[in-house]
Amino acid sequence: DTEVTQTPKHLVMGMTNKKSLKCEQHMGHRAMYWYKQKAKKPPELMFVYSYEKLSINESVPSRFSPECPNSSLLNLHLHALQPEDSALYLCASSQPGQVNTEAFFGQGTRLTVV
Amino acid sequence: QKEVEQNSGPLSVPEGAIASLNCTYSDRGSQSFFWYRQYSGKSPELIMSIYSNGDKEDGRFTAQLNKASQYVSLLIRDSQPSDSATYLCSHGGGKLIFGQGTELSVKP
Repeated sequence: DTEVTQTPKHLVMGMTNKKSLKCEQHMGHRAMYWYKQKAKKPPELMFVYSYEKLSINESVPSRFSPECPNSSLLNLHLHALQPEDSALYLCASSQPGQVNTEAFFGQGTRLTVV
Repeated sequence: QKEVEQNSGPLSVPEGAIASLNCTYSDRGSQSFFWYRQYSGKSPELIMSIYSNGDKEDGRFTAQLNKASQYVSLLIRDSQPSDSATYLCSHGGGKLIFGQGTELSVKP
Protein backbone atom coordinates (compact mmCIF):
# COMPACT_ATOMS: atom_id res chain seq x y z
CA ASP A 1 0.00 0.00 0.00
CA THR A 2 1.28 3.41 -0.96
CA GLU A 3 1.67 5.96 1.79
CA VAL A 4 1.15 8.77 -0.70
CA THR A 5 -2.48 8.95 -1.72
CA GLN A 6 -3.83 10.94 -4.63
CA THR A 7 -7.46 11.72 -5.39
CA PRO A 8 -9.21 11.40 -7.69
CA LYS A 9 -7.68 8.56 -9.72
CA HIS A 10 -9.37 9.79 -12.89
CA LEU A 11 -10.73 13.21 -13.78
CA VAL A 12 -12.44 14.49 -16.91
CA MET A 13 -12.96 18.24 -17.06
CA GLY A 14 -14.03 20.84 -19.58
CA MET A 15 -11.86 23.76 -20.52
CA THR A 16 -14.02 26.17 -18.49
CA ASN A 17 -14.13 24.02 -15.35
CA LYS A 18 -12.28 24.51 -12.08
CA LYS A 19 -11.11 21.37 -10.33
CA SER A 20 -8.53 20.34 -7.77
CA LEU A 21 -6.18 17.41 -7.42
CA LYS A 22 -5.34 16.29 -3.90
CA CYS A 23 -2.35 14.51 -2.43
CA GLU A 24 -1.82 13.31 1.13
CA GLN A 25 1.22 11.68 2.66
CA HIS A 26 1.71 10.05 6.05
CA MET A 27 5.46 9.51 5.86
CA GLY A 28 6.48 12.57 7.89
CA HIS A 29 8.11 14.08 4.81
CA ARG A 30 8.61 17.83 4.54
CA ALA A 31 9.08 18.09 0.76
CA MET A 32 6.28 17.47 -1.71
CA TYR A 33 6.28 17.54 -5.48
CA TRP A 34 3.92 17.76 -8.44
CA TYR A 35 4.89 16.15 -11.72
CA LYS A 36 3.18 15.95 -15.10
CA GLN A 37 3.74 12.88 -17.26
CA LYS A 38 2.74 12.43 -20.88
CA ALA A 39 2.73 9.04 -22.57
CA LYS A 40 6.19 7.60 -23.30
CA LYS A 41 7.87 10.54 -21.53
CA PRO A 42 9.52 10.82 -18.11
CA PRO A 43 7.82 12.72 -15.28
CA GLU A 44 8.30 16.45 -15.72
CA LEU A 45 8.73 18.48 -12.54
CA MET A 46 6.15 21.23 -12.01
CA PHE A 47 6.38 22.40 -8.39
CA VAL A 48 8.30 21.65 -5.20
CA TYR A 49 7.22 22.57 -1.69
CA SER A 50 9.76 22.43 1.08
CA TYR A 51 8.59 22.94 4.66
CA GLU A 52 5.21 24.01 3.27
CA LYS A 53 6.72 26.82 1.21
CA LEU A 54 6.90 26.86 -2.57
CA SER A 55 10.58 26.45 -3.39
CA ILE A 56 10.51 25.57 -7.10
CA ASN A 57 8.10 26.54 -9.87
CA GLU A 58 9.34 25.20 -13.19
CA SER A 59 7.73 28.02 -15.19
CA VAL A 60 4.35 26.35 -15.04
CA PRO A 61 1.42 28.26 -16.60
CA SER A 62 -0.78 30.08 -14.09
CA ARG A 63 -3.76 27.90 -14.94
CA PHE A 64 -2.05 25.44 -12.53
CA SER A 65 -2.04 26.74 -8.97
CA PRO A 66 -0.42 24.68 -6.20
CA GLU A 67 -1.25 24.89 -2.51
CA CYS A 68 0.27 23.24 0.54
CA PRO A 69 -2.15 23.70 3.47
CA ASN A 70 0.01 21.67 5.87
CA SER A 71 2.92 19.27 5.91
CA SER A 72 0.76 16.30 4.89
CA LEU A 73 -1.37 17.81 2.15
CA LEU A 74 -0.70 19.15 -1.31
CA ASN A 75 -3.29 20.43 -3.74
CA LEU A 76 -3.15 21.39 -7.40
CA HIS A 77 -5.92 23.74 -8.47
CA LEU A 78 -6.81 23.62 -12.14
CA HIS A 79 -8.58 26.35 -14.11
CA ALA A 80 -9.11 26.99 -17.82
CA LEU A 81 -7.01 24.04 -18.90
CA GLN A 82 -6.28 23.11 -22.49
CA PRO A 83 -6.60 19.68 -24.10
CA GLU A 84 -2.80 19.43 -24.20
CA ASP A 85 -2.81 19.50 -20.41
CA SER A 86 -4.28 16.00 -20.45
CA ALA A 87 -1.72 13.78 -18.73
CA LEU A 88 -0.94 11.72 -15.65
CA TYR A 89 -0.34 14.03 -12.70
CA LEU A 90 1.91 12.59 -10.04
CA CYS A 91 2.50 13.68 -6.48
CA ALA A 92 5.60 12.64 -4.57
CA SER A 93 7.08 13.29 -1.15
CA SER A 94 10.52 13.07 0.42
CA GLN A 95 12.66 14.60 3.08
CA PRO A 96 14.24 17.89 2.00
CA GLY A 97 18.00 18.17 1.63
CA GLN A 98 20.80 16.54 -0.28
CA VAL A 99 20.90 13.02 1.17
CA ASN A 100 18.39 10.45 2.33
CA THR A 101 15.92 12.08 -0.02
CA GLU A 102 14.19 9.04 -1.45
CA ALA A 103 10.93 10.19 -3.00
CA PHE A 104 7.79 8.11 -3.01
CA PHE A 105 5.00 8.58 -5.49
CA GLY A 106 1.26 8.39 -5.28
CA GLN A 107 -0.65 6.38 -7.85
CA GLY A 108 -1.37 9.48 -9.91
CA THR A 109 -4.43 11.23 -11.29
CA ARG A 110 -5.24 10.58 -14.94
CA LEU A 111 -6.56 13.93 -16.21
CA THR A 112 -8.45 14.36 -19.45
CA VAL A 113 -9.37 17.86 -20.64
CA VAL A 114 -12.19 17.96 -23.15
CA GLN B 1 23.09 19.45 -21.91
CA LYS B 2 20.31 17.60 -20.11
CA GLU B 3 20.75 17.18 -16.37
CA VAL B 4 20.27 13.41 -16.55
CA GLU B 5 20.78 11.30 -19.67
CA GLN B 6 20.00 7.63 -20.12
CA ASN B 7 20.51 5.22 -22.99
CA SER B 8 17.06 5.43 -24.48
CA GLY B 9 16.60 1.81 -25.52
CA PRO B 10 14.46 -0.12 -25.92
CA LEU B 11 16.63 -2.79 -24.36
CA SER B 12 15.69 -6.41 -24.92
CA VAL B 13 17.27 -9.28 -22.99
CA PRO B 14 16.39 -12.97 -22.68
CA GLU B 15 15.03 -14.32 -19.44
CA GLY B 16 17.84 -15.13 -17.01
CA ALA B 17 20.31 -12.67 -18.55
CA ILE B 18 21.83 -9.56 -17.00
CA ALA B 19 20.25 -6.27 -17.99
CA SER B 20 22.52 -3.22 -17.81
CA LEU B 21 21.05 0.26 -17.63
CA ASN B 22 23.21 3.38 -17.73
CA CYS B 23 22.84 7.01 -16.80
CA THR B 24 25.05 10.12 -16.78
CA TYR B 25 24.40 13.38 -15.02
CA SER B 26 25.74 16.89 -15.36
CA ASP B 27 25.52 18.34 -11.83
CA ARG B 28 28.79 17.53 -10.03
CA GLY B 29 27.18 18.61 -6.76
CA SER B 30 24.57 15.85 -6.86
CA GLN B 31 24.79 13.54 -3.87
CA SER B 32 21.70 11.35 -4.21
CA PHE B 33 20.89 9.03 -7.05
CA PHE B 34 17.87 6.88 -7.59
CA TRP B 35 16.50 4.23 -9.90
CA TYR B 36 12.77 3.97 -10.37
CA ARG B 37 10.79 1.31 -12.18
CA GLN B 38 7.58 2.31 -13.92
CA TYR B 39 5.12 -0.17 -15.36
CA SER B 40 2.86 1.06 -18.14
CA GLY B 41 0.02 3.16 -16.74
CA LYS B 42 1.44 3.09 -13.19
CA SER B 43 3.42 5.52 -11.09
CA PRO B 44 7.20 5.27 -10.58
CA GLU B 45 8.36 2.88 -7.87
CA LEU B 46 11.68 3.41 -6.11
CA ILE B 47 13.90 0.34 -6.44
CA MET B 48 17.39 1.60 -5.57
CA SER B 49 19.05 4.60 -3.98
CA ILE B 50 22.80 5.20 -3.88
CA TYR B 51 24.81 7.99 -2.29
CA SER B 52 28.44 6.79 -2.22
CA ASN B 53 30.88 5.73 -4.90
CA GLY B 54 30.91 2.02 -5.54
CA ASP B 55 28.33 -0.71 -5.67
CA LYS B 56 25.14 -1.24 -3.73
CA GLU B 57 23.36 -4.58 -3.99
CA ASP B 58 19.76 -5.41 -3.15
CA GLY B 59 18.62 -8.83 -4.21
CA ARG B 60 18.92 -9.12 -8.00
CA PHE B 61 19.62 -5.39 -8.35
CA THR B 62 23.03 -3.69 -8.17
CA ALA B 63 23.47 0.06 -8.48
CA GLN B 64 26.91 1.44 -9.30
CA LEU B 65 27.97 5.05 -8.78
CA ASN B 66 31.08 6.78 -10.09
CA LYS B 67 30.99 10.43 -9.10
CA ALA B 68 34.26 11.28 -10.87
CA SER B 69 32.77 10.08 -14.17
CA GLN B 70 29.29 11.37 -13.26
CA TYR B 71 27.92 7.95 -14.08
CA VAL B 72 25.39 5.71 -12.39
CA SER B 73 24.20 2.31 -13.57
CA LEU B 74 21.75 -0.42 -12.65
CA LEU B 75 22.37 -4.12 -13.20
CA ILE B 76 19.51 -6.57 -13.02
CA ARG B 77 20.67 -10.16 -12.65
CA ASP B 78 18.59 -13.20 -13.62
CA SER B 79 16.14 -10.93 -15.48
CA GLN B 80 12.51 -12.00 -15.34
CA PRO B 81 9.59 -11.11 -17.63
CA SER B 82 8.12 -9.22 -14.65
CA ASP B 83 11.13 -6.86 -14.86
CA SER B 84 9.80 -5.57 -18.20
CA ALA B 85 9.15 -1.89 -17.52
CA THR B 86 10.62 1.56 -18.03
CA TYR B 87 13.54 2.34 -15.72
CA LEU B 88 14.07 5.95 -14.74
CA CYS B 89 17.32 7.34 -13.40
CA SER B 90 17.18 10.45 -11.25
CA HIS B 91 19.20 12.57 -8.91
CA GLY B 92 17.77 14.24 -5.85
CA GLY B 93 18.69 17.10 -3.61
CA GLY B 94 15.54 19.13 -3.68
CA LYS B 95 14.52 18.80 -7.30
CA LEU B 96 14.42 15.12 -8.37
CA ILE B 97 15.03 15.35 -12.10
CA PHE B 98 14.53 12.27 -14.26
CA GLY B 99 16.30 10.98 -17.31
CA GLN B 100 14.22 10.07 -20.32
CA GLY B 101 13.92 6.45 -19.20
CA THR B 102 15.01 3.12 -20.67
CA GLU B 103 12.35 0.65 -21.71
CA LEU B 104 13.40 -2.89 -20.79
CA SER B 105 11.82 -5.96 -22.31
CA VAL B 106 12.67 -9.40 -20.91
CA LYS B 107 11.76 -12.16 -23.34
CA PRO B 108 10.77 -15.61 -21.96
